[in-house]
Amino acid sequence: QLQLQESGPGLVKPSETLSLTCTVSGASISSSTYYWGWIRQSPRKGLEWIGSVYYTGSAYYNPSLKSRVAMSVDRSKNQFSLKLSSVTAADTGVFYCASLFDYGDYAYYDHWGQGTLVTVSS
Amino acid sequence: ENVLTQSPGTLSLSPGERATLSCRASQTVRTTLLAWYQQKPGQAPRLLIYGTLNRATGIPDRFTGSGSGTDFTLTISRLEPEDFAVYFCQQYGSAPLTFGGGTKVEIK
Repeated sequence: QLQLQESGPGLVKPSETLSLTCTVSGASISSSTYYWGWIRQSPRKGLEWIGSVYYTGSAYYNPSLKSRVAMSVDRSKNQFSLKLSSVTAADTGVFYCASLFDYGDYAYYDHWGQGTLVTVSS
Repeated sequence: ENVLTQSPGTLSLSPGERATLSCRASQTVRTTLLAWYQQKPGQAPRLLIYGTLNRATGIPDRFTGSGSGTDFTLTISRLEPEDFAVYFCQQYGSAPLTFGGGTKVEIK
């Protein structure tokens, strides 16, 4: 059973970079049928797609965040990561990592991590 | 951006009743790229339906998805106590991937 677990600081100062890692178990991050994604949730914006990364390192970002986002994959550790720079209080929320099953005509998030709350505050 | 508008915002029903949730897109969505999720307090969203009408593994058959074009529906035929939650639709037909604002199904 595929499982994902987020890790990283729960508190980040304004203007700094938020860094989170997602550890995948039960499946290889090098699977050709999955992209690996980050989604955040806040009362203000609801569920917001941040982006997805493929095991090759190819990544797709939400245009609204593209200038501040970077995602990467570490195949040796079966992990993928998110960096969001120049954060403000508006970036506060619960961050989820999730597996995007992308095969044939279908694409959907079939497994999610439990989520991690990140607060941006000095 | 393809904006998904869900209605109603809140649905107040009793166990055993039928729930009908709507998801309307601002642009056409391919049926294979429309999904529904259920979220309970303190938990991550859980995949219910993918490709508009396919139930995910372990999802009971009281959950039915339908629709095409810009109008999609999630129907829960007879509400069980564990079905009271928030439901989100999601599309990936056009970038960026977007989610609806959610419909809360609460106990009347």
